[in-house]
Amino acid sequence: AQSVTQPDIHITVSEGASLELRCNYSYGATPYLFWYVQSPGQGLQLLLKYFSGDTLVQGIKGFEAEFKRSQSSFNLRKPSVHWSDAAEYFCAVTFTGGGNKLTFGTGTQLKVEL
Amino acid sequence: GAGVSQSPSNKVTEKGKDVELRCDPISGHTALYWYRQSLGQGLEFLIYFQGNSAPDKSGLPSDRFSAERTGGSVSTLTIQRTQQEDSAVYLCASSNRALNSETQYFGPGTRLLVL
Repeated sequence: AQSVTQPDIHITVSEGASLELRCNYSYGATPYLFWYVQSPGQGLQLLLKYFSGDTLVQGIKGFEAEFKRSQSSFNLRKPSVHWSDAAEYFCAVTFTGGGNKLTFGTGTQLKVEL
Repeated sequence: GAGVSQSPSNKVTEKGKDVELRCDPISGHTALYWYRQSLGQGLEFLIYFQGNSAPDKSGLPSDRFSAERTGGSVSTLTIQRTQQEDSAVYLCASSNRALNSETQYFGPGTRLLVL
């Protein structure tokens, strides 16, 4: 069965600092990978996705992620964090033909210090 | 266009009562999903609809949970004889598989509290 690991439960960064959130997956088939963000009391907003092609994908709000098949990773990065980026971030995986149900990681709570 | 909408946004019920949660997907989206988000279990898949049929209901935790979708649009998740462990946020998502797009767009969720 597929699984997604987000090893960091909480991360604190200073505003303006760079950010990297880690995500590793365990999957037999070619994965479709996603990063979602959830602000308190809100639903999930898609940041970016990887289906195929260029392994470096750009998303909204200045985020990017890189798919590394050899490491089974899909880490999320942002060069300069803004206070409004404080939220919970979820990595998720699915694959074509599997009904596309998403398997989520446990999430990383990001705190931004001013 | 409008996003995924869910109602009610909050629901408080007593143990043993039945509840119905509603999801309106994005217009034209053929696939619809229900997930549950709870403190102990994180985000879990419950059921998936393609049109009005549910090819995958493997995530429903017990036979107290059921869901239907009518007209290829609105879906209702029903929990019978609610238990305190059913307290969670229930999230609905939709996607347009007709475009071979696998991106799921989420609604704001229904926060269920069982007393």
